[in-house]
Amino acid sequence: EPEVTQTPSHQVTQMGQEVILRCVPISNHLYFYWYRQILGQKVEFLVSFYNNEISEKSEIFDDQFSVERPDGSNFTLKIRSTKLEDSAMYFCASSEAPTQGEKLFFGSGTQLSVL
Amino acid sequence: AQTVTQSQPEMSVQEAETVTLSCTYDTSESNYYLFWYKQPPSRQMILVIRQEAYKQQNATENRFSVNFQKAAKSFSLKISDSQLGDTAMYFCAFMRLMNRDDKIIFGKGTRLHILP
Repeated sequence: EPEVTQTPSHQVTQMGQEVILRCVPISNHLYFYWYRQILGQKVEFLVSFYNNEISEKSEIFDDQFSVERPDGSNFTLKIRSTKLEDSAMYFCASSEAPTQGEKLFFGSGTQLSVL
Repeated sequence: AQTVTQSQPEMSVQEAETVTLSCTYDTSESNYYLFWYKQPPSRQMILVIRQEAYKQQNATENRFSVNFQKAAKSFSLKISDSQLGDTAMYFCAFMRLMNRDDKIIFGKGTRLHILP
């Protein structure tokens, strides 16, 4: 089965530093998402991306966050100035056509630890 | 706004037993998808089963089946002949079918322990 690939698997950073989390969605997919999961809590939607622009974003996705699809294959999440509360597992997901019944594929996640 | 509620934070059953995980949701939409995702200790999100709201027949995938009660807005997951590998966090999730790329909303999860 095709896979969504996320790198790195673990990222440790100092508070206030910028981080970029990388994702390679499945090649024919058009819809891309970032979710996050703080340890022990539920998975929360951050942002959806289609046709090179943000489709929807949650309240969590404030000005410190940005997404980009720089080269047609990678899909990145940037946190400009990390806070302690940004420590979480970040999941990338992609789909060919989610509302037409196509499955959403999740990556293995990047565990971000902000010290 | 749509909400998903899982009222059982944690459950334990003996291997080979059948277990049912509960989920209720709230929506004013008539057309949507419901999902159960499994998250093992590796924290990978794995789709277990999916149900389209317009289908009356309950979805099944091998040992996993759902009881979808649309009027009651209930979507429970039954795991038959449970195995040690079923030990995981299980998330119930909802996605409406309005926008092209609508998001999935997750419940808080039920931690399931299968005991040897």
